[in-house]
Amino acid sequence: DVKVTQSSRYLVKRTGEKVFLECVQDMDHENMFWYRQDPGLGLRLIYFSYDVKMKEKGDIPEGYSVSREKKERFSLILESASTNQTSMYLCASRLHPGTEAFFGQGTRLTVV
Amino acid sequence: KQEVTQIPAALSVPEGENLVLNCSFTDSAIYNLQWFRQDPGKGLTSLLLIQSSQREQTSGRLNASLDKSSGRSTLYIAASQPGDSATYLCAVRLYNAGGTSYGKLTFGQGTILTVHP
Repeated sequence: DVKVTQSSRYLVKRTGEKVFLECVQDMDHENMFWYRQDPGLGLRLIYFSYDVKMKEKGDIPEGYSVSREKKERFSLILESASTNQTSMYLCASRLHPGTEAFFGQGTRLTVV
Repeated sequence: KQEVTQIPAALSVPEGENLVLNCSFTDSAIYNLQWFRQDPGKGLTSLLLIQSSQREQTSGRLNASLDKSSGRSTLYIAASQPGDSATYLCAVRLYNAGGTSYGKLTFGQGTILTVHP
């Protein structure tokens, strides 16, 4: 079975902190994604990566950056956390665009 | 811009009923469509993936159909159980290559399903 693992289930950070959210997949998938999910807004794509060191902006990249130095790991970075970045963050991966996407368990981030 | 709509937003049914969840999309040039379930506070679990060339996919009590020309997909759940209670989400991937839309999944808002004993 594909496993997508996010480093934390719950995280509380202070405004202005630099925050790293880590995601690891164990199936040699090429594509990886970061979404955030908010009530009433649904899932919105922040960034995706179609291969190592390759990334593309999604719909809401402002305030975020990403890193994909190894195929199995995709990191989301909040350069200076703000309260409006309080959200559920979901990582996903898939082998290539024609295949099934698998999600991690989510990270509930609260910025105070 | 692809928009995905799910109807109804919420559904409450007694155990044992067969039910249908609906998903519609505005751009019929999709590559595939995927159905997920999400339990409260958790990540998404993949249920079914339908490629654009397929009409339906089945897994156990679940059956998903796809009508690309009309921009619709339905998820049919047979003999519903309380354990089926969750939010069900559909997501579509566009066929066109290049740019940020390549490979992107666009999600609907979901249908919250409650199956009561």
